[in-house]
Amino acid sequence: GENVEQHPSTLSVQEGDSAVIKCTYSDSASNYFPWYKQELGKRPQLIIDIRSNVGEKKDQRIAVTLNKTAKHFSLHITETQPEDSAVYFCAASIRAGSYQLTFGKGTKLSVIP
Amino acid sequence: SAVISQKPSRDICQRGTSLTIQCQVDSQVTMMFWYRQQPGQSLTLIATANQGSEATYESGFVIDKFPISRPNLTFSTLTVSNMSPEDSSIYLCSAYTKGLTFGSGTRLTVV
Repeated sequence: GENVEQHPSTLSVQEGDSAVIKCTYSDSASNYFPWYKQELGKRPQLIIDIRSNVGEKKDQRIAVTLNKTAKHFSLHITETQPEDSAVYFCAASIRAGSYQLTFGKGTKLSVIP
Repeated sequence: SAVISQKPSRDICQRGTSLTIQCQVDSQVTMMFWYRQQPGQSLTLIATANQGSEATYESGFVIDKFPISRPNLTFSTLTVSNMSPEDSSIYLCSAYTKGLTFGSGTRLTVV
């Protein structure tokens, strides 16, 4: 089955710097790759997603890149703010064309004011 | 994106009992998904709830332990049966509308 590896497990950055979180997946048939932000005690919140027919997607300070050949995708957050502090999860579809997801183990991002 | 509500939001249950979690979506969706998130951990897919057919379960999860209902295109329930302390977790339902979004979750503690 699909396996998703996520790195790093923790990340500390100064406010205003950029943060990058990387994930790799094992199943080349996966075609949907969402990213979630989870604040303490809250539900995972979808922040951006990308499909396998797209190499990059941006939404304001957030961008995701996908390299299908290498089977990895990355989340980039620019101009980080303290409210970006949270746990971030990457995920990949378990089956082509489905929204059944397998998740990475998460990255705890701390933005230091 | 869809608004997904769950209830109860939390519960403390005795071992050996069962709890049914309800999930309501504000729009019709073909598939709904149930996930488990153990404390401080990632999310694991339990099963997919299909309207009009039996739920499909992921490896390690069985219908006798986690029976699921899907009576219509906006509603699903997950029952956690014959609970043990190892079932203590957050249970989340999700659905896809312009992105896969999650319900507010049910925090279950089994004592």
